[in-house]
Amino acid sequence: EAGVAQSPRYKIIEKRQSVAFWCNPISGHATLYWYQQILGQGPKLLIQFQNNGVVDDSQLPKDRFSAERLKGVDSTLKIQPAKLEDSAVYLCASSFQGQGTGELFFGEGSRLTVL
Amino acid sequence: GQQLNQSPQSMFIQEGEDVSMNCTSSSIFNTWLWYKQDPGEGPVLLIALYKAGELTSNGRLTAQFGITRKDSFLNISASIPSDVGIYFCAGQLPSYGANSKLTFGKGITLSVRP
Repeated sequence: EAGVAQSPRYKIIEKRQSVAFWCNPISGHATLYWYQQILGQGPKLLIQFQNNGVVDDSQLPKDRFSAERLKGVDSTLKIQPAKLEDSAVYLCASSFQGQGTGELFFGEGSRLTVL
Repeated sequence: GQQLNQSPQSMFIQEGEDVSMNCTSSSIFNTWLWYKQDPGEGPVLLIALYKAGELTSNGRLTAQFGITRKDSFLNISASIPSDVGIYFCAGQLPSYGANSKLTFGKGITLSVRP
């Protein structure tokens, strides 16, 4: 079974530029998550989708971050404009159960460096 | 928001030794989970616990869901070099008809000396 796919693996941009990350969850997983992991910290939830609807985006900085999950499968996370403090690994995860069990499958992550 | 406390930040052990980690919170959680993250990879689920007092094993790993529902413990027995990595605890609040957000601790970096 294929895992969660993310791209790109690495991205370096200058502050005020924009960037987009893509995620393809495990087939059949209804729930998709985007997490931000700053160096030395645990993952922090940015946004959670159930199919193509947003369940929780309370920690998403909506002035600069946006995410969509059209057709309830792939998802894109965009940052515009980027700030230095956005340097982090952006992890996509998916889960099968409609009711939360916490059993998430993570992708390898996209490492963003903002200069 | 809810915080999970993991300490120390780093642990150094000798190959073959056992190691214990704990995770505490001021909040009550319905679910406790332990994840491991290798360098350059995403976290991988090790053990999930759903009931207070539950003790679950996965090979050399054993985890327990604290009776108070505010803590959890992970034990690794007879450590081997591939146990090196960052161990995260994660807690999930009671869910009311929708997925409940996972909160992660800051992680403990485990080093195993051969």
